[in-house]
Amino acid sequence: NAGVTQTPKFQVLKTGQSMTLQCAQDMNHEYMSWYRQDPGMGLRLIHYSVGAGITDQGEVPNGYNVSRSTTEDFPLRLLSAAPSQTSVYFCASSPRRSYNSPLHFGNGTRLTVT
Amino acid sequence: SQQGEEDPQALSIQEGENATMNCSYKTSINNLQWYRQNSGRGLVHLILIRSNEREKHSGRLRVTLDTSKKSSSLLITASRAADTASYFCATDPLGAGSYQLTFGKGTKLSVIP
Repeated sequence: NAGVTQTPKFQVLKTGQSMTLQCAQDMNHEYMSWYRQDPGMGLRLIHYSVGAGITDQGEVPNGYNVSRSTTEDFPLRLLSAAPSQTSVYFCASSPRRSYNSPLHFGNGTRLTVT
Repeated sequence: SQQGEEDPQALSIQEGENATMNCSYKTSINNLQWYRQNSGRGLVHLILIRSNEREKHSGRLRVTLDTSKKSSSLLITASRAADTASYFCATDPLGAGSYQLTFGKGTKLSVIP
């Protein structure tokens, strides 16, 4: 199993550009989520999904869209990139939507918006 | 908002010594988890302790949970250079409805060979 795969690893965007960060998992996990990690801020939840066709907002959803058309994929779309979205983005999945289930993380996408 | 807060922010020890990191949180929880992050990589799950548990062991790791004080500690015994990483606590708030782990800001551990 590859686990959670994120692409690309690095990306530079200009302000106003849009892009999609890809996340795929091959573990048949129900739950998937996106976090951003900023220096001194820890990880903050952007969006999450408890199954195909179901998504919901986390702590910092503004400026991001998600969809979950399959169990495997959970892409994160930046609609109009802003410098404040410069961050490292992590996708994570879990076997069940319920609690007491650890998260499996990808290796991140480092995004810079100029 | 950040639920867990780790203390200290940074810790430097010699190889072979024990490392203790603390986590405080604000609201009632289903469970508390600890994760490790090596530089430039994703987080890796270390251990999960449920709200009705007080202590849990996994290899050289020992985690305690005091729900009355809303705090947890992670002890790494006989540290190795490979333990150098950032360590995060994450809480699963009770009554959140869906699974929404909230992470602290982390403790950066440096183990000097």
